[in-house]
Amino acid sequence: SYEVTQPPSVSVSPGQTASITCSGHKLGDKYACWYQQKPGQSPVLVIYQDTKRPSGIPERFSGSNSGNTATLTISGTQAMDEADYYCQAWDSSTAGVFGGGTKLTVL
Amino acid sequence: QVQLQESGPGLVKPSQTLSLTCTVSGGSVSSGGYYWSWIRQHPGKGLEWIGYIYYSGSTYYNPSLKSRITISVDTSKNQFSLNLSSVTAADTAVYYCARGGPTGYDYHYWGQGTLVTVSS
Repeated sequence: SYEVTQPPSVSVSPGQTASITCSGHKLGDKYACWYQQKPGQSPVLVIYQDTKRPSGIPERFSGSNSGNTATLTISGTQAMDEADYYCQAWDSSTAGVFGGGTKLTVL
Repeated sequence: QVQLQESGPGLVKPSQTLSLTCTVSGGSVSSGGYYWSWIRQHPGKGLEWIGYIYYSGSTYYNPSLKSRITISVDTSKNQFSLNLSSVTAADTAVYYCARGGPTGYDYHYWGQGTLVTVSS
């Protein structure tokens, strides 16, 4: 079965750029999306179809997907962005594969 | 604005069947192109996709859970449901319902989640 891997944790200083990766075999041939989850809350979709932002998601969130790696980039990271982030890979034959999650710390 | 709300017992005994319902408002479970899905999260852990029922009624389940899962839809009540049989403590988790599509299997709308504990 298909698997994707994320780093357990990423740290960033306020105002800097945070990059969270998601790795899987030929992930670039699939779609990747990203969810933000804060403690006690449901996940929120922040990037879908590799690069698209849902309505209401700040422009500082962006995504890319090529080769074996998808990347979520948060530019000008703010304290409110501290959360767990999950990638999800899918295509016509892979409906719901989630990464293990990355804890983003803003310090 | 689509809203989803999970409901069901918060405590289930081992070997019994876990049954949850997701009530949808602001949209119809019969609407074309959507995947009405269940996703769970073990305490302190990551997300695990359980399965979905498509608007047409077709289903697709996580292979690791497939033998124990049934997802069904009740269009008259605008609800869809999850049955997970022969539960063990390993099925203790927060269960979310979510809507995927229409552009793919990305989940734009989620319920608030409900904690189900498996214990005698």
